[in-house]
Amino acid sequence: EPEVTQTPSHQVTQMGQEVILRCVPISNHLYFYWYRQILGQKVEFLVSFYNNEISEKSEIFDDQFSVERPDGSNFTLKIRSTKLEDSAMYFCASSDQGHHLVEQYFGPGTRLTVT
Amino acid sequence: KNEVEQSPQNLTAQEGEFITINCSYSVGISALHWLQQHPGGGIVSLFMLSSGKKKHGRLIATINIQEKHSSLHITASHPRDSAVYICASSGGSSNTGKLIFGQGTTLQVKP
Repeated sequence: EPEVTQTPSHQVTQMGQEVILRCVPISNHLYFYWYRQILGQKVEFLVSFYNNEISEKSEIFDDQFSVERPDGSNFTLKIRSTKLEDSAMYFCASSDQGHHLVEQYFGPGTRLTVT
Repeated sequence: KNEVEQSPQNLTAQEGEFITINCSYSVGISALHWLQQHPGGGIVSLFMLSSGKKKHGRLIATINIQEKHSSLHITASHPRDSAVYICASSGGSSNTGKLIFGQGTTLQVKP
């Protein structure tokens, strides 16, 4: 069964460093999402992406964050200068359609620890 | 702004019991999603529903659009059902597939 994959599974970085989290969505999917979950808190929406553009972003997704689909398979989330509060589990998701009545498929997550 | 609330936050049951987890949301939505989060963190979609009821094995999900309420039921619960169950809404003021999540219900089923 097709699945969303994410690398690395765990990333440790120092405050102020740039990190890139990678995702490979399901191959025929066109809509991509990043979510994050700070330990003990709700999962929060960060950004949705379609046709090489951001469709929607949350207040969390400020200038320190960017997303890119550098080739036909990868979807990346970059955090330019990490802060302690960026420590969280980051989930990538994809769907084959972009509207509200479609199931999203989640990757296993990348645990980001900022020290 | 849509708020999604779940109850209870924690639930302990004996194997075989019938379990109900509730979810309410504050504004009109297009669909309500039920997801399962395993101890390792991975998230799996269980149901997406916009009206009525859906059943998959021992899991049943219902939604009442007028009351802005959904329930997830597990019949004949088993220890392997132990996980965090999360409801999330889509639609409303968003025209993308963005999900707004509840805080999750941690279920432990004891043998």
